Amino acid sequence: EAGVAQSPRYKIIEKRQSVAFWCNPISGHATLYWYQQILGQGPKLLIQFQNNGVVDDSQLPKDRFSAERLKGVDSTLKIQPAKLEDSAVYLCASSLVQGRNEAFFGQGTRLTVV
Amino acid sequence: GQQVMQIPQYQHVQEGEDFTTYCNSSTTLSNIQWYKQRPGGHPVFLIQLVKSGEVKKQKRLTFQFGEAKKNSSLHITATQTTDVGTYFCAGSGWNFGNEKLTFGTGTRLTIIP
Repeated sequence: EAGVAQSPRYKIIEKRQSVAFWCNPISGHATLYWYQQILGQGPKLLIQFQNNGVVDDSQLPKDRFSAERLKGVDSTLKIQPAKLEDSAVYLCASSLVQGRNEAFFGQGTRLTVV
Repeated sequence: GQQVMQIPQYQHVQEGEDFTTYCNSSTTLSNIQWYKQRPGGHPVFLIQLVKSGEVKKQKRLTFQFGEAKKNSSLHITATQTTDVGTYFCAGSGWNFGNEKLTFGTGTRLTIIP
């Protein structure tokens, strides 16, 4: 079974630039999560999709972050414009059923904003 | 909103000693999951607990879910160097008709050989 694919693995940008991350979840997984993990902290949920609908984005900084999941499969997370404090690992995860099954994580994208 | 805290934040133990991390949620959970993250890696699922008072074992690891379904613990007996990593609990709770998976703050375990 293929795992959760994320790209790119690493990204370095200057503040005020924009960046996009891509995630391909495990086939058949209805729930897709984007987490932000700052060094030394636990993953913080940014947005949760059920198929192609958003079920929770309460911690997403909507003035600069956006995410979409077209056709209920792949997802992209965008930051525009980036700030220094956005430096973190962005983890995508998917699960069969929201909250009831294990979440499978991708390798993550390490973003450095300079 | 739902908050999940873990203590301790760090734990250094001699190889062969036991280790315990505790997880507390601000709200009642429908289930709790535990994950392990190796340095430089991503979280990997260990186990899920669903029932009040449930206890599950995986070799040297023992997981407990509290009676009120608001707290949990992970105990490792006779730690080995392969146990190094950060252990996260993740609480699943209903939020306006949807189940949200909230990660705890994590306990970072280091082993002194």
